[in-house]
Amino acid sequence: NAGVTQTPKFQVLKTGQSMTLQCAQDMNHEYMSWYRQDPGMGLRLIHYSVGAGITDQGEVPNGYNVSRSTTEDFPLRLLSAAPSQTSVYFCASSYWLPTGELFFGEGSRLTVL
Amino acid sequence: QQQVKQSPQSLIVQKGGISIINCAYENTAFDYFPWYQQFPGKGPALLIAIRPDVSEKKEGRFTISFNKSAKQFSLHIMDSQPGDSATYFCAASGGIQGAQKLVFGQGTRLTINP
Repeated sequence: NAGVTQTPKFQVLKTGQSMTLQCAQDMNHEYMSWYRQDPGMGLRLIHYSVGAGITDQGEVPNGYNVSRSTTEDFPLRLLSAAPSQTSVYFCASSYWLPTGELFFGEGSRLTVL
Repeated sequence: QQQVKQSPQSLIVQKGGISIINCAYENTAFDYFPWYQQFPGKGPALLIAIRPDVSEKKEGRFTISFNKSAKQFSLHIMDSQPGDSATYFCAASGGIQGAQKLVFGQGTRLTINP
């Protein structure tokens, strides 16, 4: 049972480059979300989706795009990377929020030079 | 603006002692308060959660205490063990605007000395 799978685990980008962080879940969860984790800041919600075709912004959405074409996948796109986007990114899914358990992936560490 | 404020940032406890982590929130619409545990190199995992209709919830050595009037809640780890060494996050969600947004505190790095 794979759960939530994130790729890549590590990535180094130059300022201005674009990339996509992939997230897939095999639990048939309707709710998916992206968080970034920074020291002293905890986990901050970037974007979330309550089902295929439906996305919304979280606390820190600027500089990130998302789409949800299938229940299983929820990619996060950085169109023009900035050093401020250096962080560890976590994808999480849930059968149902607000009171459902969030299942997290193992994270993607991104460094922007 | 941090909607959930967590303290302390780091905590060192001797094996067998009680670990206490505190959180405070502003939004009175919040109605779900989970705690997540994270080990190095891993994603967070749900530890225990509480709704505001009860003042305390206990699961094994882990207890959440909830004070609705003070808008505070805390995690108590009894008989702390070295295996409890991890980062702990409190979180909250609820309300019409925030039901689908789980907001986290800043995290507490807990170290249990053997």
